[in-house]
Amino acid sequence: GEDVEQSLFLSVREGDSSVINCTYTDSSSTYLYWYKQEPGAGLQLLTYIFSNMDMKQDQRLTVLLNKKDKHLSLRIADTQTGDSAIYFCAESTNQAGTALIFGKGTTLSVSS
Amino acid sequence: DADVTQTPRNRITKTGKRIMLECSQTKGHDRMYWYRQDPGLGLRLIYYSFDVKDINKGEISDGYSVSRQAQAKFSLSLESAIPNQTALYFCATRDRGSAGELFFGEGSRLTVL
Repeated sequence: GEDVEQSLFLSVREGDSSVINCTYTDSSSTYLYWYKQEPGAGLQLLTYIFSNMDMKQDQRLTVLLNKKDKHLSLRIADTQTGDSAIYFCAESTNQAGTALIFGKGTTLSVSS
Repeated sequence: DADVTQTPRNRITKTGKRIMLECSQTKGHDRMYWYRQDPGLGLRLIYYSFDVKDINKGEISDGYSVSRQAQAKFSLSLESAIPNQTALYFCATRDRGSAGELFFGEGSRLTVL
């Protein structure tokens, strides 16, 4: 079945770049997403990429998609302490009412 | 006001009690979902609904039931709560024609003693 894998923790210094990686299994996924969850809050969509794209850039965020390897990454440039949160990778699926399948989340810790 | 509102935000209950978590949305979306979040396990789908007459089980529906009272309301019930149902529960909505973005409520933290 579908599965989304991502590393659980990442620690960086303020001002550095952060790269969060994700692998997925459903090659038919139309969209892939990155969500951010701040403490005590729900998930908010950061960005998404259509499956026929290789890269998408949005201000400090860069998403890279390698469909051959089913690998998705999120790069945050000039990481700030306010970027500390849990980041979830998710894939769309034609199963389960087109619900999204989420990874377990990567906790990003930014130290000053 | 939030577009997706969950009540209660926090609840502590005892084993065997019946609990209902409510979700209402003002986004006018057809599709609504209930997810459960556990540390280290990410989000897992409990139930989903396409409209008032269309309710479907997700990955982990055992021990849960739902009711779609109206397009804007989708409630999750635990008929007889047990401690391993202690978790953070999220309601989400999705527009039929969108790129798939889910809009989440702020979550309901349930503790079963």
